[in-house]
Amino acid sequence: DQQVKQNSPSLSVQEGRISILNCDYTNSMFDYFLWYKKYPAEGPTFLISISSIKDKNEDGRFTVFLNKSAKHLSLHIVPSQPGDSAVYFCAATDRGSTLGRLYFGRGTQLTVWP
Amino acid sequence: DTGVSQNPRHKITKRGQNVTFRCDPISEHNRLYWYRQTLGQGPEFLTYFQNEAQLEKSRLLSDRFSAERPKGSFSTLEIQRTEQGDSAMYLCASSFSGQGARGAFFGQGTRLTVV
Repeated sequence: DQQVKQNSPSLSVQEGRISILNCDYTNSMFDYFLWYKKYPAEGPTFLISISSIKDKNEDGRFTVFLNKSAKHLSLHIVPSQPGDSAVYFCAATDRGSTLGRLYFGRGTQLTVWP
Repeated sequence: DTGVSQNPRHKITKRGQNVTFRCDPISEHNRLYWYRQTLGQGPEFLTYFQNEAQLEKSRLLSDRFSAERPKGSFSTLEIQRTEQGDSAMYLCASSFSGQGARGAFFGQGTRLTVV
């Protein structure tokens, strides 16, 4: 049962344009969301996160938007660069969880072409 | 390098053999997690430790799997009588207890291939 869903397995964007990666979740107990970036043969690297008390968090070229009523979040990358080409995972934790479990989506392969 | 270290990076084993992986967390981190990632899937939680205590285990962790963290430092994940379905990337992560999974840093993983 996939509680975090990334329905687009791949996205191709031209360098300089905006990349928008989407993520949906089903568990209303989730209160913290993270995006990880993963290159081949490496572990996931933390990119940006957002708490459910916010609807937007920005860090340089990366912005995450959260729509709690729709149980939807998105990651915007502006401007996209070839070095951004990687698999992006959306992840979530549930309320009060200083526990161990992160729930991940299946990932979206982003390709940024020159 | 003070990141999370996993060994070996790659392991090929014959079906039915036992394998053991090691994870060395970031030294100040008292929480340690194991995840498994199969092809086309995101990482799936297996288990986690706070110090030496194993506090949560996923249903994915069958009786053939055992994880330990003696003395609350490094951790080992052993798979007994490996099956082809065990082929996956095994990821380890660590964090401070105050941050939990939210502050987790991942290692590079151990890729297991069962032939």
